[in-house]
Amino acid sequence: GNSVTQMEGPVTLSEEAFLTINCTYTATGYPSLFWYVQYPGEGLQLLLKATKADDKGSNKGFEATYRKETTSFHLEKGSVQVSDSAVYFCALRPTSGTYKYIFGTGTRLKVLA
Amino acid sequence: GAGVSQSPSNKVTEKGKDVELRCDPISGHTALYWYRQRLGQGLEFLIYFQGNSAPDKSGLPSDRFSAERTGESVSTLTIQRTQQEDSAVYLCASSLEGAREQYFGPGTRLTVT
Repeated sequence: GNSVTQMEGPVTLSEEAFLTINCTYTATGYPSLFWYVQYPGEGLQLLLKATKADDKGSNKGFEATYRKETTSFHLEKGSVQVSDSAVYFCALRPTSGTYKYIFGTGTRLKVLA
Repeated sequence: GAGVSQSPSNKVTEKGKDVELRCDPISGHTALYWYRQRLGQGLEFLIYFQGNSAPDKSGLPSDRFSAERTGESVSTLTIQRTQQEDSAVYLCASSLEGAREQYFGPGTRLTVT
């Protein structure tokens, strides 16, 4: 079946450090892939997405590339800020015929000043 | 415009009581989803509404859980005879039909004592 695996947190970084949060998936065909962010006390917000292989999603300095060969969609940011502290969720939407997103367990990021 | 709203934001109830959670989707969004997020875990799909079609209830964990939606407006998730394992954050999301992006509400934190 479909599944998403992301690295366990918490991840603690100093401000301006490089961030990588790993995400790998299992799915048939070519699912759409997403990163959602959940700031404290708020709902999930879409951060970025990619709908086909080799697509790169980007937003607010975050990037993730859809890698079909490694079934991965790792989230990266070159220089994190304290305001990036949040929980990040990787998710997939199967190829077609279904609307059921599959979410990872979330990775908590804490950025220290 | 207004986003997805949920009420109450927090609910503490005694084991065995019934609870009702409310979700107001974004105006014009025909699709509505309920998820459950247990502490330290990912999002668990519960139920999906699409317009006037029959809802997909395949994610509901037991017959104590039910949900209703009138047309394309408010939805309520009801949990009867609550158990301690029902303690979680219940998230609602809405989307345009056929769109790939879901917009989430802030969630309702349910605690069963």
